[in-house]
Amino acid sequence: EAGVAQSPRYKIIEKRQSVAFWCNPISGHATLYWYQQILGQGPKLLIQFQNNGVVDDSQLPKDRFSAERLKGVDSTLKIQPAKLEDSAVYLCASSLAAELRTEAFFGQGTRLTVV
Amino acid sequence: AQSVSQHNHHVILSEAASLELGCNYSYGGTVNLFWYVQYPGQHLQLLLKYFSGDPLVKGIKGFEAEFIKSKFSFNLRKPSVQWSDTAEYFCAVMRGGTASKLTFGTGTRLQVTL
Repeated sequence: EAGVAQSPRYKIIEKRQSVAFWCNPISGHATLYWYQQILGQGPKLLIQFQNNGVVDDSQLPKDRFSAERLKGVDSTLKIQPAKLEDSAVYLCASSLAAELRTEAFFGQGTRLTVV
Repeated sequence: AQSVSQHNHHVILSEAASLELGCNYSYGGTVNLFWYVQYPGQHLQLLLKYFSGDPLVKGIKGFEAEFIKSKFSFNLRKPSVQWSDTAEYFCAVMRGGTASKLTFGTGTRLQVTL
């Protein structure tokens, strides 16, 4: 079974530039998560999709971050404009459903460095 | 708000030593509990999970965890660590609801020395 695919693996940008990350979840998984993992911290949920609808984006900095999930499959996360504190690993995960007794599978992540 | 606490930020052990990493959560309802591991340069992988039933859960690579409901704890254990267990370990909690959210602790970095 193919896992969660993310691209790019690494990205270096200057502050105030924009950047986009892409995620392809495991086939058939209705729930998709984007997490931000700052060095030395645990992953923090940014946004959670159920199919193509947003079910939780309470911790997404909406003034600069946006995300969409086209047709309930692939998803993109965008930052515009980036700040130095956005340097982190951005993790995408998917699960069959957003309910108990399901397991989330994670991609390799995209390491973003803002200089 | 739901929170997950991992008490040990950095643990250094010699090979063959026993390991116990603490995890506590704050939510009082029905929860699912997970331990994930992240080896250097790799993605998060599931070590073990608890949904219901026997509170002592066995996972991969000789790891186990015990769910103690009265203490809101889900500590990870391994009787004898190996150098290859060097990694970062994350406890995570999913609670029931309209859209179950998976919340992570801050992680524990384990360093196993030869």
